[in-house]
Amino acid sequence: EVQLVESGGGLVQPGGSLRLSCVGSEVTFSSYWMSWVRQAPGKGLESVANIKEDGSEKNYVDSVKGRFTISRDNAKSSLYLQMNNLRAEDTAVYYCARGSGMVTKWGQGTLVTVSS
Amino acid sequence: EIVLTQSPATLSLSPGERATLSCRASQSVSSYLTWYQQTPGQAPRLLIYDASNRATGIPARFSGSGSGTDFTLTISSLEPEDFAVYYCQQRSNWPHTFGQGTKLEIK
Repeated sequence: EVQLVESGGGLVQPGGSLRLSCVGSEVTFSSYWMSWVRQAPGKGLESVANIKEDGSEKNYVDSVKGRFTISRDNAKSSLYLQMNNLRAEDTAVYYCARGSGMVTKWGQGTLVTVSS
Repeated sequence: EIVLTQSPATLSLSPGERATLSCRASQSVSSYLTWYQQTPGQAPRLLIYDASNRATGIPARFSGSGSGTDFTLTISSLEPEDFAVYYCQQRSNWPHTFGQGTKLEIK
């Protein structure tokens, strides 16, 4: 069964940085748009960023533009999210997702908590 | 940004009953509308894509309809495992926004 496994979450102070990673188990990782979706505690889902199959196109939700960077390494079947200048409102479970707008596979999620 | 509004916020029904969930878009998304189910502590699960196509392994009691701005997810006869939160999402324009969710609870 295809798996996406996230890592890198944790507790960070406001203004700090974290890098999330996601490793996929399938050889066709490079055939899919990938995205990060987050869910604040007790809240709904929000698309944060997406990246084209070859990494040539990236999109960000306005609230993270200039602070977050999405990237991928298809040779390693890996997706990344570099998060800088973190704010309290970035606190959420971050899901790695295969697809964008139509997510066919989700990771288990990694919790990011921004607090002093 | 396209806003998706789901109604009702909470739906209380009994097993065996029919559930009808609505998702309305602030502008046309054509048929680029997806439905997910989420149970507590779990990642969402893809149910319906492109408004009316069931994802692999999804039971036939789940169906989707609509186009443009008005969409419906119907569960024909509720099973105990169907009580969860349901989200719609559009992929017509970035950002690929979600609705706020409908909680389907046992009456």
